[in-house]
Amino acid sequence: AQSVTQLDSQVPVFEEAPVELRCNYSSSVSVYLFWYVQYPNQGLQLLLKYLSGSTLVKGINGFEAEFNKSQTSFHLRKPSVHISDTAEYFCAVTKSGGYNKLIFGAGTRLAVHP
Amino acid sequence: EAGVTQFPSHSVIEKGQTVTLRCDPISGHDNLYWYRRVMGKEIKFLLHFVKESKQDESGMPNNRFLAERTGGTYSTLKVQPAELEDSGVYFCASSQDGVQPQHFGDGTRLSIL
Repeated sequence: AQSVTQLDSQVPVFEEAPVELRCNYSSSVSVYLFWYVQYPNQGLQLLLKYLSGSTLVKGINGFEAEFNKSQTSFHLRKPSVHISDTAEYFCAVTKSGGYNKLIFGAGTRLAVHP
Repeated sequence: EAGVTQFPSHSVIEKGQTVTLRCDPISGHDNLYWYRRVMGKEIKFLLHFVKESKQDESGMPNNRFLAERTGGTYSTLKVQPAELEDSGVYFCASSQDGVQPQHFGDGTRLSIL
């Protein structure tokens, strides 16, 4: 079975500062990894995904994440955040190779302050 | 291309009543998933359809929940009778056959009074 731990429930940051949202996973098999974002009063939107290949993955809105197999991590980063990045971010994992269910972390609320 | 649509967006019912949630997946997506988030906890998997067949229903909490996907298009999730602990946000997602990622709808916020 897989599990996901998002180490920070809330992350406050000032506008234009860099941010890192941490995600660690546990799995005995190969996995795919995802970051989803939920803006206020909206659904889940895919930010980026790691399926295979390069361990540095670039997503929408200037976000990127790095898959580290030895540390079983998939941390999300952005070099300079905007007020509009205020949202809840979810890390998710699934077994690789098809259409399996997603296992989500508890979410991290990113609050960007002016 | 239309995304995954869910309705109602919000439903408020009393304990003991019945509620039916509906999900329309992206056209051509054979895989349809239901998830829910209760009381700010993790988003948890409920079940997975491939076309009209239930592929995995390991996350269904109990027999008060009934999911259907007649004809392999839209899906419904019925809760009967609703209990207080069923309150939360119910998400639907869809994906193409054998391909990630899953695309999510905006969710249905269910409040049981």
